[in-house]
This record gives sequence, C-alpha cells and structure tokens, in this order.
Amino acid sequence: SYELTQALSVSVSPGETASITCSGDKLDDKYTFWYVQKPGQSPMVVIYEDSKRPSGIPERFSGDNSGNTATLTIRGTQTTDEGDYYCHVWDSDTVIFGGGTKLTVL
Amino acid sequence: EVQLLESGGALVQPGGSLRVSCAASGFTFGADGMSWVRQAPGKGLEWVSGIGGSGARTFYADSVKGRFTISRDNSKNTLYLQMNRLRPEDTALYYCAKGGTGYSSPFEYWGHGTRVTVSS
Repeated sequence: SYELTQALSVSVSPGETASITCSGDKLDDKYTFWYVQKPGQSPMVVIYEDSKRPSGIPERFSGDNSGNTATLTIRGTQTTDEGDYYCHVWDSDTVIFGGGTKLTVL
Repeated sequence: EVQLLESGGALVQPGGSLRVSCAASGFTFGADGMSWVRQAPGKGLEWVSGIGGSGARTFYADSVKGRFTISRDNSKNTLYLQMNRLRPEDTALYYCAKGGTGYSSPFEYWGHGTRVTVSS
C-alpha cells in the first residue's frame, strides 16, 4: 500500500522560513493536500492540489510537488503557525495521510 | 457558513456496535462527497471511510472494511457511520469532513469530532 513519510518535527525562529516535506513514490503523479491542526482544534486545509491556497490562508503559505517530494513552505513564520501539519493524497480509492510534522516556532 | 456537527460517540464494550452521525448545513449536501477521519489519543490522523454525493460509491480503509458502514441521508443532510465488532484500537475522536472522496478532493471543512471509546 502507498505510504507518505513526514519528519516528526521541524523547529524555526519567528520570521524564518519553515519547510515541511512529505515523501512518497512518484508523489508528483498525485495531488498533495496539506492540513494544520493546532492544539485542541480540528484540522484545517492550508494547501490543496499541490500549491493552491484556500481563501483566508495567508500568501506566506505555499506548496510544491516534484518527483517524490511535496513541500509546504511557510515564509515569515509566526508563533501562531505552530501545530501539527499533515499531508494527504488519494491512492487506489483510499486516502493516505502522512504521519504528521510538529512545527515549533521559538 | 458550513457547519458539521457530529454526535453519537460513547463508551462501548469490545465487540459492540455504535452509530455516529454528522448533521451538515451551509452547503448543498447531496452535491459533495463526505468522509470520516479519526484520531486516536495522541496520534495522527487516520482516514476511515468516504462516500460520494449520491451515496452510490463508498470507500473504506482496510482497518475497518467489513466492520464499518458509511451511509448518508440527503433528505436529512446527515452522514452516518455504523460501527460493528468494535475493537479497543477503534478508540478515537471521529471527525466528519466535507470532501476527501477523489484525487482532487480536499477535506474542505471538518467538524469538532465525537469521541468513541472501546473498553471493557
């Protein structure tokens, strides 16, 4: 079955750029979606179809998908961006989630 | 405003059954696929099941196939998940989500979840 791999954690200082990756075999053959889950809250989509931002998501959030790796980039990271970030793809009539990356901003 | 309100979570013994529901509002319910996603305590997201807008197509994770059944009543704007032969590892917060039923379908909106605990 298809698998997505994410780093357990990423740490950046406020104002820096955070890069969160999601890896899978020939991942760029699929659309990747990104979600953030802040403590005590439900997940929320921040990027869909590799690089599109839903309304209300700041422009400093961007996405890319090339080869075996999709990347969520957050420029000018703020403390409010802290949370768990998950990638998701659709494969063989099932949804696959990555294990999640905890973003710490300090 | 899109709202998804889950209900029906409970404490159930192993081997028991439970049905959880999700009442939807703020969009044309029958036009969109819907999904259930769960999260065990302290763990990541796990997709459970999805259903197309008409209800004709359903999708299941291997971990629940044959035990869980997803359905919808478009006249009541309600999504259901019937869970049978429950196991302790099914213990989780169950989220209802709009979308997630295709290669270009994000989980656009999420409910707040309903808690299912399987324990004797």
